[in-house]
Amino acid sequence: GESVGLHLPTLSVQEGDNSIINCAYSNSASDYFIWYKQESGKGPQFIIDIRSNMDKRQGQRVTVLLNKTVKHLSLQIAATQPGDSAVYFCAEIDYGGSQGNLIFGKGTKLSVKP
Amino acid sequence: NAGVTQTPKFRVLKTGQSMTLLCAQDMNHEYMYWYRQDPGMGLRLIHYSVGEGTTAKGEVPDGYNVSRLKKQNFLLGLESAAPSQTSVYFCASSLRVTRVRAHNEQFFGPGTRLTVL
Repeated sequence: GESVGLHLPTLSVQEGDNSIINCAYSNSASDYFIWYKQESGKGPQFIIDIRSNMDKRQGQRVTVLLNKTVKHLSLQIAATQPGDSAVYFCAEIDYGGSQGNLIFGKGTKLSVKP
Repeated sequence: NAGVTQTPKFRVLKTGQSMTLLCAQDMNHEYMYWYRQDPGMGLRLIHYSVGEGTTAKGEVPDGYNVSRLKKQNFLLGLESAAPSQTSVYFCASSLRVTRVRAHNEQFFGPGTRLTVL
């Protein structure tokens, strides 16, 4: 079936560097994408989202890029801080196919070295 | 606002026992969801509800039942727990998901860690 996956299961970066977390998706009909952050022992927390009619969206220290041609999503975190250490999930919605439900990828663990 | 709350936070069951997990939200959201999360995996949808009195199956519904008698509450039941149901359970809620809405994010609770021996 359709799925959302991740290129890298773990990512280690130095504090202050920029981080890039990648996500591949297989459903070309997906309309909406979300990035979630999950800290240890907590529930997922919304970071940023993007609609399929956009290719870039910026938030505070975070940028999401969407390349529909190659079905690729990325999350860029600027000046990574120790508090950014967490597991990051991408998720997608195909409004026509999944009843509006989110389909989650497996996640990438980001470790920030001081 | 408390957001999404879950009760209990931790629970240990023996095989065959039953229990109910409670989820409550105070955001007046129409939609509510139950997920399970296993080590090294993403979240998998168990059941969901698009309104009071309605429920629907998700990706992994077997062994679970749900009820949405009140808009703010969504209950997940395990009638006869099995070791394969050891997991962390997350509840989430959202506004009605529509194509025209700019943001369709789900808001998650803190999770319930369940161990079935």
